[in-house]
Amino acid sequence: AQKITQTQPGMFVQEKEAVTLDCTYDTSDQSYGLFWYKQPSSGEMIFLIYQGSYDEQNATEGRYSLNFQKARKSANLVISASQLGDSAMYFCAMISGSASKIIFGSGTRLSIRP
Amino acid sequence: EPEVTQTPSHQVTQMGQEVILRCVPISNHLYFYWYRQILGQKVEFLVSFYNNEISEKSEIFDDQFSVERPDGSNFTLKIRSTKLEDSAMYFCASRGQNGYTFGSGTRLTVV
Repeated sequence: AQKITQTQPGMFVQEKEAVTLDCTYDTSDQSYGLFWYKQPSSGEMIFLIYQGSYDEQNATEGRYSLNFQKARKSANLVISASQLGDSAMYFCAMISGSASKIIFGSGTRLSIRP
Repeated sequence: EPEVTQTPSHQVTQMGQEVILRCVPISNHLYFYWYRQILGQKVEFLVSFYNNEISEKSEIFDDQFSVERPDGSNFTLKIRSTKLEDSAMYFCASRGQNGYTFGSGTRLTVV
């Protein structure tokens, strides 16, 4: 069975510091993709970053990078130089094998302190 | 940048009433989805739709739910007789070559 686990329900970080949000996944498929989404209080799901299982390099998008460790089945999100606007709920998600649905983790609420 | 459009953004309905949530996926996408997020909980898959038929559905997607692509551009989710526990954020998504795109959601409140 496929599963996404986010073990940090909430985190507080000082503005301008880097933050790592943890995500581990479980799948028996060789081909899969991992996503991170940001959900601000307004509710929409904002795509941040994607990593394919065959990608050799860690994905990066601006201040976001995905620390992909395949052997450990982890896909942590790193946000560098955090900003007040980064305060939101963050979801790790996976699409796996021939299935086309995305499964989501339970989320981490990130709060940035000024 | 192309986007998935959902209407309405908020809907309040009385228990037992039928609701239709509307979505306009990205035009060249072929796969369409509905997801649900009960307040404070994680996002759950409801149903996927491809080639004018349901390709997969979750156990949440019971006989009260149906989906339709009535005119080649809209993709709708109908809840026949709403219950209090149907109150949630409903997200539509579509998938194409460049990946998944989610709409901004419809917040449904059943009173």
